[in-house]
Amino acid sequence: DTGVSQDPRHKITKRGQNVTFRCDPISEHNRLYWYRQTLGQGPEFLTYFQNEAQLEKSRLLSDRFSAERPKGSFSTLEIQRTEQGDSAMYLCASTKFTGGEKLFFGSGTQLSVL
Amino acid sequence: GESVGLHLPTLSVQEGDNSIINCAYSNSASDYFIWYKQESGKGPQFIIDIRSNMDKRQGQRVTVLLNKTVKHLSLQIAATQPGDSAVYFCAEFETSYDKVIFGPGTSLSVIP
Repeated sequence: DTGVSQDPRHKITKRGQNVTFRCDPISEHNRLYWYRQTLGQGPEFLTYFQNEAQLEKSRLLSDRFSAERPKGSFSTLEIQRTEQGDSAMYLCASTKFTGGEKLFFGSGTQLSVL
Repeated sequence: GESVGLHLPTLSVQEGDNSIINCAYSNSASDYFIWYKQESGKGPQFIIDIRSNMDKRQGQRVTVLLNKTVKHLSLQIAATQPGDSAVYFCAEFETSYDKVIFGPGTSLSVIP
């Protein structure tokens, strides 16, 4: 399968714990996005990378969230000191940016904070 | 702030009928629009896109119409099938913000 891969698919954690998610984009794609989605809502932008550079981080994202894409390939999203409000689906998408954004999404990581 | 939104949160259609899902946008500077389909437990899947220099684009059983005068976007699905049941999102590429912004979605249910 050469699509966007996310791991794990599901994560259950206790409040206050740290969690890390991984995204492997389509190999030739230079842009990688992280979105968050809650039930009944559209995906909400969190941050994105062009190659290894993080170009933007949403103002809605607290300092507990950090993302990396060290070699311009896979990316990780870490949430420190998780809160119940962090419970959501975390989606990763990638694209070969040519102007306009035809994003290819992974299946997401469903996070539940107890 | 400027955003993309959908008129109807839910839509039910009979199998075989045509479906029309509508979307309103407010950012007149946007030049690229995308429709995504999301099935339960999966990420959004690209359906069709259209640039602002076009008013219509057709795919396989789907057509997207863009009316820039009233800032309206629609997705037409011909001969709707049970497999079309999903949540549909219109999304807007904001050139000034360089990212895709999604609306809240319309849930399409196909009645066999």
